[in-house]
Amino acid sequence: DTGVSQDPRHKITKRGQNVTFRCDPISEHNRLYWYRQTLGQGPEFLTYFQNEAQLEKSRLLSDRFSAERPKGSFSTLEIQRTEQGDSAMYLCASSFEGSYGYTFGSGTRLTVV
Amino acid sequence: GESVGLHLPTLSVQEGDNSIINCAYSNSASDYFIWYKQESGKGPQFIIDIRSNMDKRQGQRVTVLLNKTVKHLSLQIAATQPGDSAVYFCAENISNTGKLIFGQGTTLQVKP
Repeated sequence: DTGVSQDPRHKITKRGQNVTFRCDPISEHNRLYWYRQTLGQGPEFLTYFQNEAQLEKSRLLSDRFSAERPKGSFSTLEIQRTEQGDSAMYLCASSFEGSYGYTFGSGTRLTVV
Repeated sequence: GESVGLHLPTLSVQEGDNSIINCAYSNSASDYFIWYKQESGKGPQFIIDIRSNMDKRQGQRVTVLLNKTVKHLSLQIAATQPGDSAVYFCAENISNTGKLIFGQGTTLQVKP
């Protein structure tokens, strides 16, 4: 286990299509976070899980966005009916409960055309 | 409101010089602060952290200073190297929340 893995690294999709991203956290970490980052900006919090429970969702996470972590291990982030404004880097991170020294993955870069 | 900001978007330094990157935060309830480094095409990488009950913490070539009176955080990098070129973000955790809030970032450019 060498870190947080995200798949795919890049995704180009047409407006209106659905996309799904996967994150595999560090196996011992029970917290998993999703952030979104646009060019020149810092990461923005979307949501986080402790084990399989989704504990908080940002107002940024519209109804078109859904995240799951069904077995408390890997997580998926789905965006339905993508819009051009969804184009961004989607970052996943994991940590132990009570620790904020997140380990980030390399992200999935989404381009909506 | 809840925000973390950095004073300068770009900092250019000569190789071997010391670098100081600044950050202002607005939430008095923040109890934990982290500096991250992000290289192009990669996710943010943890550099150093500090709790609100401390005012200074040192790592290898890096020092973080926290001034709670003026809500200011700084990252000092000693003997800056070309490999230090990246975007640096400060992030804060507001007490009893489960998430970090990031600032906008400062780009550090190291000239050979």
